[in-house]
Amino acid sequence: GENVEQHPSTLSVQEGDSAVIKCTYSDSASNYFPWYKQELGKRPQLIIDIRSNVGEKKDQRIAVTLNKTAKHFSLHITETQPEDSAVYFCAASSGQGAQKLVFGQGTRLTINP
Amino acid sequence: ETGVTQSPTHLIKTRGQQVTLRCSSQSGHNTVSWYQQALGQGPQFIFQYYREEENGRGNFPPRFSGLQFPNYSSELNVNALELDDSALYLCASSLDSFQETQYFGPGTRLLVL
Repeated sequence: GENVEQHPSTLSVQEGDSAVIKCTYSDSASNYFPWYKQELGKRPQLIIDIRSNVGEKKDQRIAVTLNKTAKHFSLHITETQPEDSAVYFCAASSGQGAQKLVFGQGTRLTINP
Repeated sequence: ETGVTQSPTHLIKTRGQQVTLRCSSQSGHNTVSWYQQALGQGPQFIFQYYREEENGRGNFPPRFSGLQFPNYSSELNVNALELDDSALYLCASSLDSFQETQYFGPGTRLLVL
């Protein structure tokens, strides 16, 4: 079955700097890759997603890139702000049968003022 | 915020007991997926319900069961509770079983003593 590895597990950056979180997946049939942000005690919130027919997608300060050949995808946050501090999860879905999401282990991002 | 709601928010049970968790999906969504999120981990897929039928299951034992009702709300039942069942239980709704985008509820935090 699908396996998703996420790195780093913790990331600390200065406010205004960029943050990059990387994930790799094992199932070449995976074709949908969402990123979720989870603040302490709250629900995972979808912040951006990408499908396998697209190499890059951007939404304001957030961008996601996908390399299907290497089976990895990354989240880029520019001009980081204190409210970006949270745990970020990547996930992959195979698109076959039930649309189950397989999640990475999460990255705890801390923005230092 | 999504329109997905869950009840109760917190629950304390003892080993061997049974528990029922509830989820109300976003308006217009007919598919509900359930996930277990242990502390410090990413969510793990339990199963998915589509139009009142189980539509895929993760690596969880049969004592985890579910239901989906005609209004597409859903229940997760766990029998013979074990200490390791302590976790945040999340439901996520999607437009239909072929739509990958899933929107999460706030979760039910279950503690088994």
